Amino acid sequence: AQSVTQLDSQVPVFEEAPVELRCNYSSSVSVYLFWYVQYPNQGLQLLLKYLSGSTLVKGINGFEAEFNKSQTSFHLRKPSVHISDTAEYFCAVIEVQGAQKLVFGQGTRLTINP
Amino acid sequence: NAGVMQNPRHLVRRRGQEARLRCSPMKGHSHVYWYRQLPEEGLKFMVYLQKENIIDESGMPKERFSAEFPKEGPSILRIQQVVRGDSAAYFCASSPPGHQPQHFGDGTRLSIL
Repeated sequence: AQSVTQLDSQVPVFEEAPVELRCNYSSSVSVYLFWYVQYPNQGLQLLLKYLSGSTLVKGINGFEAEFNKSQTSFHLRKPSVHISDTAEYFCAVIEVQGAQKLVFGQGTRLTINP
Repeated sequence: NAGVMQNPRHLVRRRGQEARLRCSPMKGHSHVYWYRQLPEEGLKFMVYLQKENIIDESGMPKERFSAEFPKEGPSILRIQQVVRGDSAAYFCASSPPGHQPQHFGDGTRLSIL
């Protein structure tokens, strides 16, 4: 079974500051990794994904994440945030071969202050 | 190219009534997944379906909940005899066969009076 831990439930940041949202996972099998963003009263939008290849993946809206297999981490970063980045961010994993169900972390609420 | 469509967006039911939530996957996607988001919690997998088949229902409560994805029409998540604890946001996702990622709809927010 897999588990995902998002270490920070809330992250307040000032506009134009850099941000890192942390995600660690546990799995006995190979997994794919994802970050989703959820704006208020909306569904989940895919920010980026790691399936294979380069461990540094770039996504939409200027976000990027780095897959670190030895540390079982997949932290999300953005060098300069905007007010519009205020949302809930979810890290998720899925088995490469096996059960096709996403396992989500608890989410991190990112609040951008002017 | 329409995304995953869920309806209704909001649904209010009284205790003991039935709730039916519908999901139309993206064009070309034949795999559907349902997830539930309880207040202040992350999303939890409920069920994975292909056309006319339930592939994995390991996350479905044993009673009152059922899901289907018929040959024609949307996938339906059905909750019988709803209770207050069923209040949540229910999200549907879809994907092409054997591919990731899953694409999500905007969800149905179910409120039980």
